[in-house]
Amino acid sequence: GAVVSQHPSRVICKSGTSVKIECRSLDFQATTMFWYRQFPKQSLMLMATSNEGSKATYEQGVEKDKFLINHASLTLSTLTVTSAHPEDSSFYICSARDLSGVVNTEAFFGQGTRLTVV
Amino acid sequence: GNSVTQMEGPVTLSEEAFLTINCTYTATGYPSLFWYVQYPGEGLQLLLKATKADDKGSNKGFEATYRKETTSFHLEKGSVQVSDSAVYFCALINTGRRALTFGSGTRLQVQP
Repeated sequence: GAVVSQHPSRVICKSGTSVKIECRSLDFQATTMFWYRQFPKQSLMLMATSNEGSKATYEQGVEKDKFLINHASLTLSTLTVTSAHPEDSSFYICSARDLSGVVNTEAFFGQGTRLTVV
Repeated sequence: GNSVTQMEGPVTLSEEAFLTINCTYTATGYPSLFWYVQYPGEGLQLLLKATKADDKGSNKGFEATYRKETTSFHLEKGSVQVSDSAVYFCALINTGRRALTFGSGTRLQVQP
């Protein structure tokens, strides 16, 4: 199956700093990428959807100025957590799909990034 | 809107026991249904899927049948192993939406 690589897998940062998480599709064109957040022992919460070359669409309650998403190419999307605070500590997972065709294609997931803000 | 309801865990079983994890959904139209598995500290891996009513998805001994009449997609395995210990997520995707809708996840613990 297709591979989505997410980096870094773990990051610890100080309060007030920014952290960038990368999500790459390695062997297919990801026209659409999704960013999820997962709290301990809970399900995945969709944060935003991004299409290559356009602005991301954020879910209700997600601060777009805090969670900056860039999807500049068909193989790379980035999530930047700006001015991070301890409550931003979480597991972030990206997902990618190729929606350029008419087939309802599968979504592939990155390995996730464990962010800890101290 | 779309929603997925899973049985709460954790589910604790002995090795070689039979596994069922219930999943029901609410959706308009004809969604595709999925089971994903998440091992500790990792992302999600697709376990199996079914795209239309009465389809049976299967992989690694796991099976699930798309039951439109009961809006269900229960996950089963005849004989679990310790290595099956993980969190299992039922999910759906609808033609009108591009993102998956996930259930809350069910943690499975298999004891030797």
